[in-house]
Amino acid sequence: SQTIHQWPATLVQPVGSPLSLECTVEGTSNPNLYWYRQAAGRGLQLLFYSVGIGQISSEVPQNLSASRPQDRQFILSSKKLLLSDSGFYLCAWRIQGAYEQYFGPGTRLTVT
Amino acid sequence: TQLLEQSPQFLSIQEGENLTVYCNSSSVFSSLQWYRQEPGEGPVLLVTVVTGGEVKKLKRLTFQFGDARKDSSLHITAAQPGDTGLYLCAGPNTNAGKSTFGDGTTLTVKP
Repeated sequence: SQTIHQWPATLVQPVGSPLSLECTVEGTSNPNLYWYRQAAGRGLQLLFYSVGIGQISSEVPQNLSASRPQDRQFILSSKKLLLSDSGFYLCAWRIQGAYEQYFGPGTRLTVT
Repeated sequence: TQLLEQSPQFLSIQEGENLTVYCNSSSVFSSLQWYRQEPGEGPVLLVTVVTGGEVKKLKRLTFQFGDARKDSSLHITAAQPGDTGLYLCAGPNTNAGKSTFGDGTTLTVKP
């Protein structure tokens, strides 16, 4: 069966510090991968998605970036965090051509 | 742009009551998914509806896809505190690979 991992689970970082969040998927090959950010109790904002290694589509962020160095690994990064980057970050995967997305447990990021 | 609007935004009820939440769009979707998210966790897929007019049941939860495939509803019978959470609907975007998500309905079931 497929499993998705995210780490760390929680992170507190000062403004201006770098960021690296990692997501890995097990049990499937060539998935679509996604990074979302969620404000408290609300909907999901798509940040990046990837349909293959090295293929990244950016939806919104200015100071965030994403990379997909391996088929089942997706990394969210920033060189300098802003207060507005605080939130709940979710990674998700989908079998190409399927409808459903499957989410990881999330990372709670607090920028102080 | 395909949008999904969910209503109500918040719903607080007593254990044992019935409820319905809605997911509406002006666009046609090839399918809609419903997810439930508990605080501090990722959303969990509940169901996918594909055919216009389709009804799917998952224990006390009944999901319906509108005939025109522009809307969906989730009905919960005899709600329990364990049903508490954020309910999200989503549908595939016309841009291959992406999905549109609604802003969700936050349900609180009081014992």
